Amino acid sequence: IQLTQSPSSLSASVGDRVTITCRASQGISSYLAWYQQKPGKAPKLLIYAASTLQSGVPSRFSGSGSGTDFTLTISSLQPEDFATYYCQQLNSYPPTFGQGTRLEIK
Amino acid sequence: QVQVVQSGAEVQKPGASVKVSCETSGYTFTDFYIHWVRQAPGQGLEWMGRINPNSGVTNYAQKFKDRVTMTRDTSISTAYMELARLKSDDTAVYFCARDLVYGDYYFGSWGQGTLITVSS
Repeated sequence: IQLTQSPSSLSASVGDRVTITCRASQGISSYLAWYQQKPGKAPKLLIYAASTLQSGVPSRFSGSGSGTDFTLTISSLQPEDFATYYCQQLNSYPPTFGQGTRLEIK
Repeated sequence: QVQVVQSGAEVQKPGASVKVSCETSGYTFTDFYIHWVRQAPGQGLEWMGRINPNSGVTNYAQKFKDRVTMTRDTSISTAYMELARLKSDDTAVYFCARDLVYGDYYFGSWGQGTLITVSS
């Protein structure tokens, strides 16, 4: 299953509301996760099962969607949120990732 | 808390093999799968396979099936990933990750990554 994220990159300001989209090439129910990765670091799980917030992740992050279309929303960007975000599906083997969305400071 | 610590960076020649370790602590090692994910420079994430630390049973992505071997040592709560017949495009950071819940493919805890450089 191929995952296509949009946009590939995004410039935004602190305090902005940001939405990243992930589209699957076929239906994956709600078997989708979102990760945040900062340069030189491992990815961090933010959201799983499309909309469940991982423990310890700030509530400004939210996920939605099912089937083929999913979104990650950051309600009010903070300086520490500038990073690359990846979606991942686990409905079909093997698990696959989107190509990433790089979120930069405007 | 859960900790996952990987071995250090290595430089290997084409055709050689490399073995990366993934030492875990803070939970029962045999209760969760360990997965391996790699990331080429400036690129995205690619799942390579997983090992069930309890049984030793492995599942490999088709792309790596002929070259990768995942093992574990339960006495020291450590998993290993060995990649053989290295090529230049195997240059990447290799991550191990523990699944969030036994048997799922959500990667809840990650190692810091191990840079493997393949160069003559």
